Amino acid sequence: EPEVTQTPSHQVTQMGQEVILRCVPISNHLYFYWYRQILGQKVEFLVSFYNNEISEKSEIFDDQFSVERPDGSNFTLKIRSTKLEDSAMYFCAIRTSSSYNEQFFGPGTRLTVL
Amino acid sequence: DQQVKQNSPSLSVQEGRISILNCDYTNSMFDYFLWYKKYPAEGPTFLISISSIKDKNEDGRFTVFLNKSAKHLSLHIVPSQPGDSAVYFCAAHRDSNYQLIWGAGTKLIIKP
Repeated sequence: EPEVTQTPSHQVTQMGQEVILRCVPISNHLYFYWYRQILGQKVEFLVSFYNNEISEKSEIFDDQFSVERPDGSNFTLKIRSTKLEDSAMYFCAIRTSSSYNEQFFGPGTRLTVL
Repeated sequence: DQQVKQNSPSLSVQEGRISILNCDYTNSMFDYFLWYKKYPAEGPTFLISISSIKDKNEDGRFTVFLNKSAKHLSLHIVPSQPGDSAVYFCAAHRDSNYQLIWGAGTKLIIKP
């Protein structure tokens, strides 16, 4: 199973601040995803990223969110001005050409907005 | 959004017996269904999947059954082991996009 790490494991920030969550796949992968899970709610899709551009995004992924792969390895999710309701677990997932339908998840980053 | 539903928040099963986790869906356009297992403070771990053109897929102790006419799938774990205690999520996607639509999860407790 492909390995994915995420940093930080826990991020505490003040409302209105910018946060950057990082995802580091261990080997080269083509397809990247961000999901989030607000406490007590379902896991929700945010965005998918392929060939250095967004391929799909949900209604949640508004102008406050952005993704990029700055150095060809790390895959980042930026929230420009955090809101209280952004507090959630954020999961990065990858999909490879060999595991065509399965997505493999990192351990998640817990974001707490105060 | 209730496209994927897991109606049992929790399930308790004796060690060694069969665990059956259920999932219903409303979107007939789903092409692929997946089961994930999640421990606290960890990300979801992929378990097993099934294409919409199949009705059964088996991998070791895990078997997934798909009933398209009923829009229902189930995950069977046999025999259940203490390490199987976790939250199990059903998820689905279409081939036109791979965004996973998730159920709410079922917490499985295996009793010794």
